[in-house]
Amino acid sequence: QSALTQPASVSGSPGQSITISCTGISSDVGGYSYVSWYQQHPGKAPKLLIYDVSNRPSGVSNRFSGSKSGNTASLTISGLQAEDEADYYCSSYTSSNTYVFGAGTKVTVL
Amino acid sequence: EVQLVESGGGQVKPGGSLRLSCAASGFTFSSYSMNWVRQAPGKGLEWVSSISSSGTYIYYADSVRGRLTISRDNAKNSLYLQMNSLRADDTAIYYCARGRSNSKQIDYWGQGTLVTVSS
Repeated sequence: QSALTQPASVSGSPGQSITISCTGISSDVGGYSYVSWYQQHPGKAPKLLIYDVSNRPSGVSNRFSGSKSGNTASLTISGLQAEDEADYYCSSYTSSNTYVFGAGTKVTVL
Repeated sequence: EVQLVESGGGQVKPGGSLRLSCAASGFTFSSYSMNWVRQAPGKGLEWVSSISSSGTYIYYADSVRGRLTISRDNAKNSLYLQMNSLRADDTAIYYCARGRSNSKQIDYWGQGTLVTVSS
């Protein structure tokens, strides 16, 4: 199972919006609504930001939003803040009853 | 509050074995699927294995099948990963992670335990 494709890095200025893409295939991202996004700060465990493509767990800022079209899911961070500087990973359930992660995107706040 | 605490990591020689444990609290452990996910130093996340709430259904990544074995003890609220025939590329932080209820996604993660395979 190949990793989902994410850009290695994305940057933006405070207050701006950025979007991270996550591309898979029809047997993972394209075939299920089980797409999630995680935020990981250095030395910390990942934290769930988005589940079921576009739902936020309680306590997660509404500045984070998710969507999907075909085999590509996207995470948008609006009103970028310094604390958003972290690594972001997408994940999808697959037709093989496994999970696949993206390679990760480093977000830099300029 | 959901808590997942891993233990058992350490340094082992290639070909050696190690058993990781994960102590769960703050939720009804027996009602949730559980997972192990690893992260090599400076690298991304890699799903390793999943086990259903009752232990009936078990799945592995191709990279670990036949060498790593996941198990659980619902009476002890604990998840395990028996690691045999370890290789240098198994070096990673191993995270215990809960499967979201009625969903095929991971929600809560432990802080991880580091496994280093080196001679």
